[in-house]
Amino acid sequence: DTGVSQNPRHKITKRGQNVTFRCDPISEHNRLYWYRQTLGQGPEFLTYFQNEAQLEKSRLLSDRFSAERPKGSFSTLEIQRTEQGDSAMYLCASSASFGSSYNEQFFGPGTRLTVL
Amino acid sequence: AQSVTQLGSHVSVSEGALVLLRCNYSSSVPPYLFWYVQYPNQGLQLLLKYTSAATLVKGINGFEAEFKKSETSFHLTKPSAHMSDAAEYFCAVSEDYGGATNKLIFGTGTLLAVQP
Repeated sequence: DTGVSQNPRHKITKRGQNVTFRCDPISEHNRLYWYRQTLGQGPEFLTYFQNEAQLEKSRLLSDRFSAERPKGSFSTLEIQRTEQGDSAMYLCASSASFGSSYNEQFFGPGTRLTVL
Repeated sequence: AQSVTQLGSHVSVSEGALVLLRCNYSSSVPPYLFWYVQYPNQGLQLLLKYTSAATLVKGINGFEAEFKKSETSFHLTKPSAHMSDAAEYFCAVSEDYGGATNKLIFGTGTLLAVQP
């Protein structure tokens, strides 16, 4: 068990550019979540996958945001035409829908995005 | 709708003193409750979780929390603070029912400082 990994750890971009983040969940976890955390706040839910199906999206996820989880393994979060308000820490978490750690979400280290 | 309120955005204690971090929740169904800790520029680590098995929950690093339905509270305690406990702590709630995504709703966090 190597935990949840996220890449890159840091991303600095100019306003208007597109960015893509990757999340590799714990291998046996079928549930995957994306959250966004701004300074001084708790994480806010963005979207949820069960296997490869995206089953819920928050109102926070504007049309500029898209997430995928092909084959139910890793996931990507893309932000198009970035805005300064997109600057935040993007956190990925995974969990199992069965077993002793049912419903425990394990978080990755996050990707910190800075939009200049 | 679910929500979490953490009273006290900043708490300061002396090393060796009792730690008490407050969390109140709102949920329309029996909740799952969690406490996470976050160190600077890192992801979230699960301290403990309540899943209706027992009202007093013991977690890692000597922390525990008690679920009080009548008070809708899930306060986090530790008998004796250590310098390494200095971090930000988040309380979170999720709902578990058929078809639920089990997304986490977080409070705004409490920054714990431990004075020597």
